[in-house]
Amino acid sequence: NAGVTQTPKFRILKIGQSMTLQCAQDMNHNYMYWYRQDPGMGLKLIYYSVGAGITDKGEVPNGYNVSRSTTEDFPLRLELAAPSQTSVYFCASSYSRGPKHFGDGTRLSIL
Amino acid sequence: TQLLEQSPQFLSIQEGENLTVYCNSSSVFSSLQWYRQEPGEGPVLLVTVVTGGEVKKLKRLTFQFGDARKDSSLHITAAQPGDTGLYLCAGASLPSNSGGSNYKLTFGKGTLLTVNP
Repeated sequence: NAGVTQTPKFRILKIGQSMTLQCAQDMNHNYMYWYRQDPGMGLKLIYYSVGAGITDKGEVPNGYNVSRSTTEDFPLRLELAAPSQTSVYFCASSYSRGPKHFGDGTRLSIL
Repeated sequence: TQLLEQSPQFLSIQEGENLTVYCNSSSVFSSLQWYRQEPGEGPVLLVTVVTGGEVKKLKRLTFQFGDARKDSSLHITAAQPGDTGLYLCAGASLPSNSGGSNYKLTFGKGTLLTVNP
């Protein structure tokens, strides 16, 4: 049982580049979430989804996009990377409201 | 804006000691969750408390939700090195006019606990 799988684990981007952070869960959860964690700042919600085809903005959505074409996958897209997006990104899923299962994160540096 | 203040921010103790960490807010939450996060990993949900005054125990960990549902505490008895980690609390709320569609979870900044052998 893999749970929530995030790829890649680490990435370095140059300013202005784009990339997609992948997230997959094998628990058939409807709810999926993307958070970013900055040092000493707790977790901030970027986007969430309550089911395939349905997404909504969280607290800090600017500079990001998401899609949810299947129940399993919830990719996060950065179109024009900026230094302020240097962070650790966590994907999470749950059967009901509120994140229950987190992935191990993607550590992203933008230089 | 709802804020959750966690204290202390850092705590370093010896194995076998007891400790309590706190999670406080001026806002009322419908439920509160505690997570533990180890370096290089995602948070792991420990417990959810829902009712004011509720106490839940998880082996040596005791969680309490305040009567007014604005605060919570986590007490660890006889701490062990395996308890080392970042302890996060997160309060859940539903705006009164949301019809349940705007569930919001606010995270505190965490307490970093180190238990030395």
